[in-house]
Amino acid sequence: EPEVTQTPSHQVTQMGQEVILRCVPISNHLYFYWYRQILGQKVEFLVSFYNNEISEKSEIFDDQFSVERPDGSNFTLKIRSTKLEDSAMYFCASRGGGSSYEQYFGPGTRLTVT
Amino acid sequence: QKEVEQDPGPLSVPEGAIVSLNCTYSNSAFQYFMWYRQYSRKGPELLMYTYSSGNKEDGRFTAQVDKSSKYISLFIRDSQPSDSATYLCAMSLYSSASKIIFGSGTRLSIRP
Repeated sequence: EPEVTQTPSHQVTQMGQEVILRCVPISNHLYFYWYRQILGQKVEFLVSFYNNEISEKSEIFDDQFSVERPDGSNFTLKIRSTKLEDSAMYFCASRGGGSSYEQYFGPGTRLTVT
Repeated sequence: QKEVEQDPGPLSVPEGAIVSLNCTYSNSAFQYFMWYRQYSRKGPELLMYTYSSGNKEDGRFTAQVDKSSKYISLFIRDSQPSDSATYLCAMSLYSSASKIIFGSGTRLSIRP
């Protein structure tokens, strides 16, 4: 069964460093998303991406964040200068498009900023 | 008022019991409703989805949506210890971006 994959599973970085989180969405899916979940809190939307541009972004997704689909299979989230409060699980999701609104999530990347 | 409200539990029931999980929401524009299961430190796993009021059944799981009351439910029949997880209700608008708004999740434990 097709699935969303994410790498790395765990990333430790120092405050102020740049990190890139990688995702491979389900093949033939058209819409891509990043969510995050701070430990003990709800899953929160960050950004949606369609047709090589951002469709919508939340207040959390400020200038420190960027997304890219560099090669037609990978979908990346870059955090330019990490803060302690960026420590969270980051989930990538994808959906097929058309009348399919359900989103399929990857296993997540645990980001720890020290 | 929160957009999506969900009792965080924890909820503990004996194996074989029927489990009822619920969410209420405030935005009447939500059109698409989902239930996800999440194990500790893992990604949400899609269980059920529906875009209409009424019931939808899949094996031991039944999703129920009442748009007039802004209330959704998930029923689990013949619950198993492997059903122990956090259950997230989720909903979205019928739009191209269709971000998902999640509830806070209900932690469920099935006792053998």
